[in-house]
Amino acid sequence: SYELTQPPSVSVSPGQTARITCSGDALTIQYTYWYQQRPGQAPMLVIYKDSERPSEIPERFSGSSSGTTVTLTISGVQAEDEAKYYCQSAEVFGGGTTLTVL
Amino acid sequence: EVRLVESGGSVVRPGGSLRLACAASGFIFEDHGMSWVRQAPGKGLEWVSGIDYNGGRARYADSVKDRVTISRDNAKNTLYLQLNSLRAEDTAMYYCARDKSSASPEYFLDWGQGTLVTVSS
Repeated sequence: SYELTQPPSVSVSPGQTARITCSGDALTIQYTYWYQQRPGQAPMLVIYKDSERPSEIPERFSGSSSGTTVTLTISGVQAEDEAKYYCQSAEVFGGGTTLTVL
Repeated sequence: EVRLVESGGSVVRPGGSLRLACAASGFIFEDHGMSWVRQAPGKGLEWVSGIDYNGGRARYADSVKDRVTISRDNAKNTLYLQLNSLRAEDTAMYYCARDKSSASPEYFLDWGQGTLVTVSS
């Protein structure tokens, strides 16, 4: 199987833009999905098919793809966005990125 | 409202067995593939197993292959995971997840709250 690589942590101040990357060779041919997991809660889908957003997810969440790297962008970060974020493609999850809102 | 409610987790000795269940409601169960995803304490997400809409095809992670069996009963809207020859490294929260696709895994629209499996002597 293959791996998806995420940075362990990202920190931003409220109102700034957070970018979380996910890298993997398979991402050139497979879609990537993003999940948010707050402490003590189950994961929740925030982006599907690289850049599509479920209707219930705020517009500040967006996704993009370039080559072997996909990026989750959170514009105007709010305190409630502090969570761990995981990328997923097929049966593989990335290791997760902890977003800290300073 | 979609609901996925897992049950069956407990403390079990190494080498023991457990059967997890996931009761689904709020959607047409037989239209969706389903998966189990686990999370060891303080660790990341790991896909364990998936099954397609009618139970015709099951897939397993290498880490659990030959020790785990996934199944479903569409008449009861219930997903199952039989865990055998349990090891300490199987200790985790086990989540049931509804797939977008009729197969699984593609991606997960909804998740249950999980059931905790602890393997310890």
